[in-house]
Amino acid sequence: DTGVSQDPRHKITKRGQNVTFRCDPISEHNRLYWYRQTLGQGPEFLTYFQNEAQLEKSRLLSDRFSAERPKGSFSTLEIQRTEQGDSAMYLCASSSNRVPRGYTFGSGTRLTVV
Amino acid sequence: AQSVTQLGSHVSVSEGALVLLRCNYSSSVPPYLFWYVQYPNQGLQLLLKYTSAATLVKGINGFEAEFKKSETSFHLTKPSAHMSDAAEYFCAVSGPIGNAGNMLTFGGGTRLMVKP
Repeated sequence: DTGVSQDPRHKITKRGQNVTFRCDPISEHNRLYWYRQTLGQGPEFLTYFQNEAQLEKSRLLSDRFSAERPKGSFSTLEIQRTEQGDSAMYLCASSSNRVPRGYTFGSGTRLTVV
Repeated sequence: AQSVTQLGSHVSVSEGALVLLRCNYSSSVPPYLFWYVQYPNQGLQLLLKYTSAATLVKGINGFEAEFKKSETSFHLTKPSAHMSDAAEYFCAVSGPIGNAGNMLTFGGGTRLMVKP
């Protein structure tokens, strides 16, 4: 069990640029989640995949955000035309279908839009 | 809809003192409840979870929490604080099996400070 890996750990980008983050879940976990955490707040749900299917999307996920999970393995989260309000920690988590044991979270990608 | 309220955004205790972090939840169905800890610039680590078994749940690092349905509470305690406990703590609620996605709803967090 190598845990949930996220890449990059930090990203600084200029407003208007596109960014893409990657998440590699625990290999036997078929569920994958993206959360966003702004400074001083708890994480907020963005989207959820079961295998390769994106089954839920939060209203926080505007049209500039897109997430994929091809082949039900790793996932990517892309933000187009970044805005300063997108600055946050983006957390990925995975879990199995079994009795909820709590997710396993990655270390997150901290995005700073300047 | 589910929600979590953590009373006290900041809690300060002396090393060796009792730690009590408060969490109240709202859920229309029997909840699953979790406590996570977050150290600076890191992800969330699961401390403990309640999944409708024993109401007193023991977790890692000496923490425990008690589920009280009548009070809709799931407060986190530790008998004796250690300097390494200084971190941000989040309470979260999830739906039962069958809730699509098993989404977690988090409270706003409590920053625990431990004084020497």
